[in-house]
Amino acid sequence: GNSVTQMEGPVTLSEEAFLTINCTYTATGYPSLFWYVQYPGEGLQLLLKATKADDKGSNKGFEATYRKETTSFHLEKGSVQVSDSAVYFCALTGGGNKLTFGTGTQLKVEL
Amino acid sequence: DADVTQTPRNRITKTGKRIMLECSQTKGHDRMYWYRQDPGLGLRLIYYSFDVKDINKGEISDGYSVSRQAQAKFSLSLESAIPNQTALYFCATSDPGNGPRSGANVLTFGAGSRLTVL
Repeated sequence: GNSVTQMEGPVTLSEEAFLTINCTYTATGYPSLFWYVQYPGEGLQLLLKATKADDKGSNKGFEATYRKETTSFHLEKGSVQVSDSAVYFCALTGGGNKLTFGTGTQLKVEL
Repeated sequence: DADVTQTPRNRITKTGKRIMLECSQTKGHDRMYWYRQDPGLGLRLIYYSFDVKDINKGEISDGYSVSRQAQAKFSLSLESAIPNQTALYFCATSDPGNGPRSGANVLTFGAGSRLTVL
């Protein structure tokens, strides 16, 4: 079946540091890939997505590239802010149109 | 008002009690979902519904039931709550879109219902 593996957190960074959160996946066929973000006390919201190999999703300074050869969709941001502190979830959808989520990675950004 | 509204936001109950979590949406989406979130386990799908007459079990449906009362309403019930059902529960909606690479599976989530079973 489909699965998503994320790096364990928490990830603690200083403001303006470079961020990478690793995500790899296992799926049959050609899944669509997503990053969702959960701010404290809120539900998840879509951050970015990519629907085919080599696509790059981007939003709010975050980027992720769909790498079929390495089955990866790593999230990156060049300069994080305190307001980026949240839990980040990698997810995919394959057959059946249901999302499979990773376990989430907590990001803490300090001044 | 929020696009997806969950009630109650917080609930503490005792083992064996029946609990209902309610979800309503103003997105006009046909598809609705119930997930539970546990630390270290991410989100796991409990039930989902692609329209009013369609109900499907997710990966962890045991101990839960659902009702799709209308396009906009999807409730989750725990018939006899147990402590390991203590979790944060999320309702979500999506639009099937047009084609396999459209907006399908871009979910809109509610703010969550925190349930504690003592």
